[in-house]
Parts: sequence; C-alpha cells; structure tokens
Amino acid sequence: GQQVMQIPQYQHVQEGEDFTTYCNSSTTLSNIQWYKQRPGGHPVFLIQLVKSGEVKKQKRLTFQFGEAKKNSSLHITATQTTDVGTYFCAGIGGAQKLVFGQGTRLTINP
Amino acid sequence: DGGITQSPKYLFRKEGQNVTLSCEQNLNHDAMYWYRQDPGQGLRLIYYSQIVNDFQKGDIAEGYSVSREKKESFPLTVTSAQKNPTAFYLCASSIWGYEQYFGPGTRLTVT
Repeated sequence: GQQVMQIPQYQHVQEGEDFTTYCNSSTTLSNIQWYKQRPGGHPVFLIQLVKSGEVKKQKRLTFQFGEAKKNSSLHITATQTTDVGTYFCAGIGGAQKLVFGQGTRLTINP
Repeated sequence: DGGITQSPKYLFRKEGQNVTLSCEQNLNHDAMYWYRQDPGQGLRLIYYSQIVNDFQKGDIAEGYSVSREKKESFPLTVTSAQKNPTAFYLCASSIWGYEQYFGPGTRLTVT
C-alpha cells in the first residue's frame, strides 16, 4: 500500500536557524497536505499543494511539491520559539485516502 | 461556533473494560476519521467513514469498533481485545479528499 516517509524524525535548532523537513511517497500523489501539532495539542492544517513543482509560502514557511509529485518539503526560515512542534506531511494517492508521514519533531533552543 | 468536540479529555479505565470515546462535529462534513497517536509517533488510522451508515477499517482496526448512525457523530469503542489501548486518540472530519479538521483528542489510560 501507499507509504509516506518523513525525515528527519527529530530536529533541534538554535533560534534563528533554518529548518527543513522532507516527505517522500512510495506512489505518485494527487496532492499533499502539511499539518502542525503543537506539544500537547492536535494537528492543525497548514497548506495543501496540488500541482507538480508547486511552491507556496506562508510568511517564513516555504512548501514545495516535487516535479514527479512523489516528494515534498517544508522549509522554515529563521526559526522562532513559536515554531516548536511536530510537522506532518500527508499525501492523497490513488485510493483517495490521506496517508500521514511519521512527522518531524522540531525543538528550538532560545 | 463550528468545530469538532471530543470528550472526555482524559479517561482512565481498568483493563478488561470496554470504553467509548465521543466525537461530534458541526462542520457538515461527510467524512470522519479516528487516529491513534503514541508518544513521539505519527498518526495511525483506526477507522474512517465517508458517509453516514458506512465505515471502513484503517490500518490498525483490531480491537476497536465504530458506528456512524448520524452525520455529526462517530463514536469509537476501545474493546478489551485491544492489547495496548493506552494512547492519545484523535478524531477528525473533512470533505472527502480535502484537509482534515481535528478535535482536541482524548488521552486514554488503561491500567
């Protein structure tokens, strides 16, 4: 079945450093979604990418969808303590079912 | 105020007891989902329902049961057959194929 792998599993940075998490699917995706879960909270939808090669920005966050629609990345520029949390990618494949990656847990040293 | 509610926030049970977790949404979404999250882990799909009176097993359905008698409600029963029931349970809803909206979750502890 469809699998979505996310790396790294954990990332610790100094405040102000950049952060990137990568997502890879075993199959071509129709779209990919990104979610953020704050410590002790629940996942909150950030963005959806649909087109091959698509790039979207939300302030310091940049999301990319690969040309082959099998990989994606989230890049945060100049991290702030409010960025702490776990970032999940989730892809929709042929079965139209959303499959979540394992998540990347970001911690920040102020 | 639209959203998804889950109750209770914390739940404690003795081993061997069945327990039902509540999930209600007023977003008028057809699709609803149950996920399990263990410490430091991702989200694993237990059951999902695309429409009222229909539901499908997810990746880890063994030891769980659901019902979908109303569009707004998708309760999850954790049965005594579930070997490791202690976890954080998240309910979500969506328009099928679109972003999911999650409830605040229920932390179940079974001793």
